[in-house]
Amino acid sequence: SQQGEEDPQALSIQEGENATMNCSYKTSINNLQWYRQNSGRGLVHLILIRSNEREKHSGRLRVTLDTSKKSSSLLITASRAADTASYFCATDEGTSGSRLTFGEGTQLTVNP
Amino acid sequence: NAGVMQNPRHLVRRRGQEARLRCSPMKGHSHVYWYRQLPEEGLKFMVYLQKENIIDESGMPKERFSAEFPKEGPSILRIQQVVRGDSAAYFCASSPAGTNTEAFFGQGTRLTVV
Repeated sequence: SQQGEEDPQALSIQEGENATMNCSYKTSINNLQWYRQNSGRGLVHLILIRSNEREKHSGRLRVTLDTSKKSSSLLITASRAADTASYFCATDEGTSGSRLTFGEGTQLTVNP
Repeated sequence: NAGVMQNPRHLVRRRGQEARLRCSPMKGHSHVYWYRQLPEEGLKFMVYLQKENIIDESGMPKERFSAEFPKEGPSILRIQQVVRGDSAAYFCASSPAGTNTEAFFGQGTRLTVV
């Protein structure tokens, strides 16, 4: 498996439910970032969590980081149809500027 | 403060032609990164540049691809003699500092080789 691998690959839920996406990585990191991409569009930055942080919140988003397990999770609470998108985790290993290594993404579908 | 600007948004080229993709970083950002995204896949790093310097090009194909970030003007990703396999979305990102900072992405250029 590759650095920044998301799980599940696809997730379908009803509006109002919570969505949890997981990301695993292999090497040590400076930080881990989550992005959202709507179909055919650019990436929108959601949250950056540094290696010395364990949890971060932003609105309906909650990100956790467990460096001992080399994993992170993104929780979206009270989901909305507008949350339908692909979600990517990306790791910054600190080896080359702010170069990021992306996973393959989780496709989230929120049904109205 | 405008975001990262990429142009064109869509580019169609015939096999063998050259493709030039432009990226203007956010104001005050001197670090630029190019990524390629194939359909249904994540982004793959290609090259990292600072003004007038290529810092890391480990993700760039050895042939036909080149990148520059001149002192004045946008960063350019150039693909010579394009082939169908070059069809992809190419994203540019910029950051204000070299390490441990958020990278801001442009909307991408979708290259189609016919």
